[in-house]
Amino acid sequence: DSGVTQTPKHLITATGQRVTLRCSPRSGDLSVYWYQQSLDQGLQFLIQYYNGEERAKGNILERFSAQQFPDLHSELNLSSLELGDSALYFCASSPHGGGGTDTQYFGPGTRLTVL
Amino acid sequence: ELKVEQNPLFLSMQEGKNYTIYCNYSTTSDRLYWYRQDPGKSLESLFVLLSNGAVKQEGRLMASLDTKARLSTLHITAAVHDLSATYFCAVQTGANNLFFGTGTRLTVIP
Repeated sequence: DSGVTQTPKHLITATGQRVTLRCSPRSGDLSVYWYQQSLDQGLQFLIQYYNGEERAKGNILERFSAQQFPDLHSELNLSSLELGDSALYFCASSPHGGGGTDTQYFGPGTRLTVL
Repeated sequence: ELKVEQNPLFLSMQEGKNYTIYCNYSTTSDRLYWYRQDPGKSLESLFVLLSNGAVKQEGRLMASLDTKARLSTLHITAAVHDLSATYFCAVQTGANNLFFGTGTRLTVIP
């Protein structure tokens, strides 16, 4: 158990809908990262927040957005969902802003199925 | 964009044998990670390699990094069934995001 929690574990929804995924980092970690894992794209970095501020952006679609709250938990919002958004979404956290030995610890993931 | 290639993609090996997984990356980086993922589970951090020539060992797994060749290896010694999983290498550049390899699905056969 990495100490990173994600809810919900599974989510089934329809095309065009909007969902919110939630992540609580390990105690004391300031950075939260979001990744998408799918069969065709592999593991892709989406976005990083550090202490409430956006720090780095990857292959995140405009339909997706994220934020980190004062208590350091983070939410990933996915809207206008398409079939291709079906994937496993991981949250990771690290103590600092990245770099050095700032290892990322991954949560259990949220499996999103879009029908 | 940074590309990270792993090979082989699939590896089936007998218990007790040795094998090596290779991870090549396309641009300069000085931080490389190895993760393990069991089916349907999350990613577990195995090693962080920070400098050229770095070698780390944990049990039957040993990872090394050659930044000049842009190559990392994960060597498995005397494989056991419990090592069956998918192994990912991930490269971190100046930014903080990780670029993951395609993964190597390892199956250890009794």
